[in-house]
Amino acid sequence: EVQLVESGGGLVEPGGSLRVSCAASGIKFIDAWMTWVRQAPGEGLEWVGRIKSKGGGETTDYAAPVKGRFTISRDDSQSTVYLQMNSLKPEDTAVYYCTTVSSVANPVFGNWGQGVLVTVSS
Amino acid sequence: EILMTQSPATLSLSPGERATLSCRASQSVGSNLAWYQQKPGQSPSLLIYGASTRATGIPARFSGSGSGTEFSLTISSLQSEDFAVYYCQQYNNWPMYTFGQGTKLEIK
Repeated sequence: EVQLVESGGGLVEPGGSLRVSCAASGIKFIDAWMTWVRQAPGEGLEWVGRIKSKGGGETTDYAAPVKGRFTISRDDSQSTVYLQMNSLKPEDTAVYYCTTVSSVANPVFGNWGQGVLVTVSS
Repeated sequence: EILMTQSPATLSLSPGERATLSCRASQSVGSNLAWYQQKPGQSPSLLIYGASTRATGIPARFSGSGSGTEFSLTISSLQSEDFAVYYCQQYNNWPMYTFGQGTKLEIK
């Protein structure tokens, strides 16, 4: 069974930084492409960014609202993906989900974590 | 950016009825369209990909159709567990994924 467990959320002031983590099990993590998706309170889903596997060069891509402020990285030895968030804004307040990318042929989000809440407020 | 528009915003139906949810893309996405279900207090889960292929374990009462810019998700006979919010997502322009704003399917 695939499990994705996020951690590290919390309250941070505007302009601050926070790193959230996602620990994976039940998958061959070294080959997995991973994404982050967020959901502001009472709102819909917004893709944040993606990291390819080491074999894919660990290439990262980001949505426009977070590009230059957020960084995704991975530690295959720990089967963990990270989302480093800098220069946080109140509009970054959301539940952040990590997901797996099912395949290159069908790059949809096959597995989701339970999410972690990040609140940006003074 | 490809914009995804879902309709209606809210759909009120009774158990046993047929539900049809719509999703429109601002430009063609081919068949690169997925549907996700999000139940209250839960994470989203994958229902349909490739516009019409059910994900593993998804009951046959869920079906997807369409291509290009017009898509639909049909639930043939609503069960109590189907009342949730449904999101469409295009991945034709991946990794620049975009989601629709969601359709809330509620019990009438």
